[in-house]
Amino acid sequence: GQSLEQPSEVTAVEGAIVQINCTYQTSGFYGLSWYQQHDGGAPTFLSYNALDGLEETGRFSSFLSRSDSYGYLLLQELQMKDSASYFCAVRDPGNTDKLIFGTGTRLQVFP
Amino acid sequence: IAGITQAPTSQILAAGRRMTLRCTQDMRHNAMYWYRQDLGLGLRLIHYSNTAGTTGKGEVPDGYSVSRANTDDFPLTLASAVPSQTSVYFCASREGPGNQPQHFGDGTRLSIL
Repeated sequence: GQSLEQPSEVTAVEGAIVQINCTYQTSGFYGLSWYQQHDGGAPTFLSYNALDGLEETGRFSSFLSRSDSYGYLLLQELQMKDSASYFCAVRDPGNTDKLIFGTGTRLQVFP
Repeated sequence: IAGITQAPTSQILAAGRRMTLRCTQDMRHNAMYWYRQDLGLGLRLIHYSNTAGTTGKGEVPDGYSVSRANTDDFPLTLASAVPSQTSVYFCASREGPGNQPQHFGDGTRLSIL
C-alpha cells in the first residue's frame, strides 16, 4: 500500500524557521503536495513538487528528494497566523487523479 | 465569489436516518471529491468523480453513495447513518490534470447519535 509519515506536532516561536518533514512509501511517484488547514477551516493548497529541489513561494518553501522518498515544507519568519495543520499528499499511483494525504502536522507558533 | 459551497454547515442526525450532503461548485471543474476528516487520521477519500456522469470509489466508500448528474453538483448520501460516520466532510474540486491543486469547501460537521 501507499503511506506517508509526518510528525504529529511541531512548536516554534514567532520569527523562527521551522521544517515539517514528510516521508512517503508508494509504488510509483507522481508528485508531492502540501496543504494548510487552520482549525475549523478548509484545507488550502500551498505547493507542489514533481522534481527534486526547492520551490519557493514567499515565506514558504517546499523541497523534494525522490531518491530519498522525502520532502519537507520550510516556513520562515514564522507568524502567529501560521499556527495550523500541514498535510503532505502524494498522487495515488493507481489513479493519479486522486491524492493520498498524510495524517498532518500541527504547528503551534508561540509569541 | 467563485468556489465550492457545501450544505449544511453542520447537522446532528439520528442513527438509521438518511442524509444527503450537498456540494456545488461554480468553477466548471471536471474532477470532484468527497473526503472525511477524523482526528489523527487526516483526510480520507470517500468517493470521487473525474467528470460528469462518472464516479469512483475512494479509500472508505462503504455506507456512502454519490452521483454526478452535472458538472456543478456532487451530492454525498448516507443511506442509513451510523455513529462511526460522525466526522467532518469536505468536498473538493480540481481543474485540469492531477498535478493541479484541489480546492476545498468549508466542510460539513456531521454528528450521528
